[in-house]
Amino acid sequence: EADIYQTPRYLVIGTGKKITLECSQTMGHDKMYWYQQDPGMELHLIHYSYGVNSTEKGDLSSESTVSRIRTEHFPLTLESARPSHTSQYLCASSPGQGHYGYTFGSGTRLTVV
Amino acid sequence: GEDVEQSLFLSVREGDSSVINCTYTDSSSTYLYWYKQEPGAGLQLLTYIFSNMDMKQDQRLTVLLNKKDKHLSLRIADTQTGDSAIYFCAETVPGGYQKVTFGTGTKLQVIP
Repeated sequence: EADIYQTPRYLVIGTGKKITLECSQTMGHDKMYWYQQDPGMELHLIHYSYGVNSTEKGDLSSESTVSRIRTEHFPLTLESARPSHTSQYLCASSPGQGHYGYTFGSGTRLTVV
Repeated sequence: GEDVEQSLFLSVREGDSSVINCTYTDSSSTYLYWYKQEPGAGLQLLTYIFSNMDMKQDQRLTVLLNKKDKHLSLRIADTQTGDSAIYFCAETVPGGYQKVTFGTGTKLQVIP
């Protein structure tokens, strides 16, 4: 019943390759987020967006970039993947108003070899 | 600043109650949440509580909030093997984009 979709679920890629992780939601949520989750479980906010054409960096410095051209779409791009980028990436969204929590996608597990 | 702490691991027997604890430092927190993450999945919102409430019950889940001590707990009654997962508490503080800070996560293991 997921209303927020991430693709691919798993990705193994070589060092130096450019990759884009896709995130789409069908709920019309204004706010979207990207989190990086390390093996120790902790979540780190790397990017967020208030709405179309709005993007901000999060708490954890990341070499990735994001764009928000459409409300429903918030892709994350790594221009040149490195082994240090190996992680689980989680996308989430929330309504513009209210505090009803986040809806998360299933995540993309990225391995850079 | 915001800091949300949880113990890393909890093991309980099936049928017992589980209590997962969380402490936070920002007294201006407005909403507090509990999320569940099953293996290989994203986080699922279980419940949330407004900061002006002390308790919220939802079926097997009971959330207790002690604002004085900045302590939040999640009690799961009659714990089942399907409850095995990582549980995250989170807080929202007002201002800006109403940032949500997640705790470090507690891995719950339910022993049959």
